[in-house]
Amino acid sequence: AAGVIQSPRHLIKEKRETATLKCYPISRHDTVYWYQQGPGQDPQFLISFYEKMQSDKGSIPDRFSAQQFSDYHSELNMSSLELGDSALYFCASSSPTGELFFGEGSRLTVL
Amino acid sequence: QKEVEQDPGPLSVPEGAIVSLNCTYSNSAFQYFMWYRQYSRKGPELLMYTYSSGNKEDGRFTAQVDKSSKYISLFIRDSQPSDSATYLCAMRPYSGNTPLVFGKGTRLSVIA
Repeated sequence: AAGVIQSPRHLIKEKRETATLKCYPISRHDTVYWYQQGPGQDPQFLISFYEKMQSDKGSIPDRFSAQQFSDYHSELNMSSLELGDSALYFCASSSPTGELFFGEGSRLTVL
Repeated sequence: QKEVEQDPGPLSVPEGAIVSLNCTYSNSAFQYFMWYRQYSRKGPELLMYTYSSGNKEDGRFTAQVDKSSKYISLFIRDSQPSDSATYLCAMRPYSGNTPLVFGKGTRLSVIA
């Protein structure tokens, strides 16, 4: 079965630019989570969506926003990028029994 | 104090050794526990998922939960060089759509 799909896998942006990451959850998973992982750090929860509504909010900067669409895919929009936003961004979706499955991540480099 | 504490290692063991990885937590509301394996620059891969005290076994992996002590463990038997990765514990209060809280991860190297 297909796993969580994220795109793009890598992107390079300059300071103050905007970036959009996409996530396609596993079929029939109703909750999508976004995490940010800095080098040598554990994943930090940003935001989640359940049935297309925002469910929980973590340490997501005001410059970031996200949404989940009718086909359950989600997008993370990041504006006014800063050097400190360089990180791996993971999307995860959860099964009806509660297990979270992660995508391979999108590596953002801000120059 | 972080909600979930995990020794970051690094931990280095010879091939074939039994590996013990541990996490402690402070929030008694945590009821669901997971262990993930993460290779460098890859996404976390779910290894074990458990929600009751006691042991759960899957192949070479055994997850152990002691809710009274707020302590969870992952044991890897007959460790292989391919097990070299960072192992992250994660937990949540209930199985609904709540986010996971992660430990810092333990970096494991299995030497051939």
